Amino acid sequence: SQQGEEDPQALSIQEGENATMNCSYKTSINNLQWYRQNSGRGLVHLILIRSNEREKHSGRLRVTLDTSKKSSSLLITASRAADTASYFCATDEGAGNMLTFGGGTRLMVKP
Amino acid sequence: SQTIHQWPATLVQPVGSPLSLECTVEGTSNPNLYWYRQAAGRGLQLLFYSVGIGQISSEVPQNLSASRPQDRQFILSSKKLLLSDSGFYLCAWSHGSNSPLHFGNGTRLTVT
Repeated sequence: SQQGEEDPQALSIQEGENATMNCSYKTSINNLQWYRQNSGRGLVHLILIRSNEREKHSGRLRVTLDTSKKSSSLLITASRAADTASYFCATDEGAGNMLTFGGGTRLMVKP
Repeated sequence: SQTIHQWPATLVQPVGSPLSLECTVEGTSNPNLYWYRQAAGRGLQLLFYSVGIGQISSEVPQNLSASRPQDRQFILSSKKLLLSDSGFYLCAWSHGSNSPLHFGNGTRLTVT
């Protein structure tokens, strides 16, 4: 079953703009992770945020987690054409590190 | 450093034929191993996961099976493929709870 749901499903922005993607989930979690997938390739891990953390940064990426609202957001600042990819959130509900993935947000950054 | 190899990259098979996809991990020991399937433009569906040799858990009843004959080898199989088995198959490994998954580059399977 699909736990995380990303919003929007697709996003098109100009280079230099910020991109925000949201993820909502239904049950309690150990952690929430964001992944990136270039077309036709495997997923690449971006950030893991634990349930007791509220915000995490990595370079141009900022992830927030609101466990009361069961939601997370991924912000990419100063986007580049190379950021064009699909972005997925995945939740770890604590059962053997089996992640449940959402349907993804397709981000297009126009040069 | 750890690496994960998955092959073949693409595969076209007729309905009713058998399937064997292989995944191997290097540079780590006793990893958790996973097989996911991704339909076009969609998220990932967990098919199988393994916490050790010979230990396989299935998440979705289907036409597929998995085996782990060695610590760092994970195989996805089918005796008779169905059209609905078409998709993008991804192998991944992790070190367990609160650790990220590391994915292979996937196998694009088309059943004709």
